Amino acid sequence: DQQVKQNSPSLSVQEGRISILNCDYTNSMFDYFLWYKKYPAEGPTFLISISSIKDKNEDGRFTVFLNKSAKHLSLHIVPSQPGDSAVYFCAASFNDYKLSFGAGTTVTVRA
Amino acid sequence: DAGVIQSPRHEVTEMGQEVTLRCKPISGHNSLFWYRQTMMRGLELLIYFNNNVPIDDSGMPEDRFSAKMPNASFSTLKIQPSEPRDSAVYFCASGLAGGHNEQFFGPGTRLTVL
Repeated sequence: DQQVKQNSPSLSVQEGRISILNCDYTNSMFDYFLWYKKYPAEGPTFLISISSIKDKNEDGRFTVFLNKSAKHLSLHIVPSQPGDSAVYFCAASFNDYKLSFGAGTTVTVRA
Repeated sequence: DAGVIQSPRHEVTEMGQEVTLRCKPISGHNSLFWYRQTMMRGLELLIYFNNNVPIDDSGMPEDRFSAKMPNASFSTLKIQPSEPRDSAVYFCASGLAGGHNEQFFGPGTRLTVL
């Protein structure tokens, strides 16, 4: 039972434009959300997170938005760069260790 | 810092054989996680250790899977006997326990069971 869903398996965006990745969750107990980035043949690396008490968190080119009523979060990358081409995983937790991951979205940034 | 180290990076074995995956967490981290990634199920947590003690093994698929952490700098995930459906990428991650602390992932071991 997938509690975290990323319904878009892939996204193609032109360099310099905005990338928007979406994630939906079903478990209302989740209180912390994270985005991980993964390059081929490497493990996922932490990108950005947000607590359920906030609706926005920004870190440089990356911003995560949380809409608790809709059980939806999104990751915005502005501007997109070629090095952003990777698989992005959305994850959620309601305790301090157990992460539930989405299936991932493959982002391709075109030059 | 070398990050989380996993070995081997690739393993090809035949059905019925024993497979042992190894992990060295980041020094100073007291939490260790084993994950499995498959096309069908995505990334799923298999087992979580805190201070070398298994806290949550609810994700371990069946008795063929076992994990140990004899000390703070080493953990193993063993599959005996292995089956073709065990083919996946297995990740080890470490972090600091308490609160929502970041988990640092290793590069993974790609296991193929023929």
